[in-house]
Amino acid sequence: DAKTTQPNSMESNEEEPVHLPCNHSTISGTDYIHWYRQLPSQGPEYVIHGLTSNVNNRMASLAIAEDRKSSTLILHRATLRDAAVYYCILKAYKYIFGTGTRLKVLA
Amino acid sequence: NAGVTQTPKFRVLKTGQSMTLLCAQDMNHEYMYWYRQDPGMGLRLIHYSVGEGTTAKGEVPDGYNVSRLKKQNFLLGLESAAPSQTSVYFCASSSPRPWQPQHFGDGTRLSIL
Repeated sequence: DAKTTQPNSMESNEEEPVHLPCNHSTISGTDYIHWYRQLPSQGPEYVIHGLTSNVNNRMASLAIAEDRKSSTLILHRATLRDAAVYYCILKAYKYIFGTGTRLKVLA
Repeated sequence: NAGVTQTPKFRVLKTGQSMTLLCAQDMNHEYMYWYRQDPGMGLRLIHYSVGEGTTAKGEVPDGYNVSRLKKQNFLLGLESAAPSQTSVYFCASSSPRPWQPQHFGDGTRLSIL
């Protein structure tokens, strides 16, 4: 199973953009890149996914490197409610969650 | 719009007792999963199922058994609970299509004394 590498933690000021990086150098051509986030005391929730092209939705944007060996989740304006653990996952038929990036948002 | 429902939400067991955690989904998903999450850690896959009547081992299957007798239900069993199995357990379901997301339940907090 392809693995991902993320920083353990990051901090951001409220109302500023946040770029959460993820390395996945062993990604295969059929692996989709999924991002989830887990708020305190809740189960993970889907944020966004992509295959090759950059993607936007109401929650975030996903920028995928041309060689697909890395990706970046972009929160355009961080709010206190965005404080969570963010997981970058390569989906085949099962998920392997790493430890994710704990995002702290400062008021 | 229930999605994924886990029962029970909380449970305290004594070492050596057995119990079954129930996961039910109403989205007609083929795939279902059981994860455990220890404090400060990410999720680890215990077992998963790609269809009714099938199960497979994940990363940390020892001490657990599962059954998928009906498409909408996925049961996780602890035959002889140990303190090391104290954790929060999450169930999830998904479509087989790799671009479709997983949907998670709210978790079961299990303490074993």
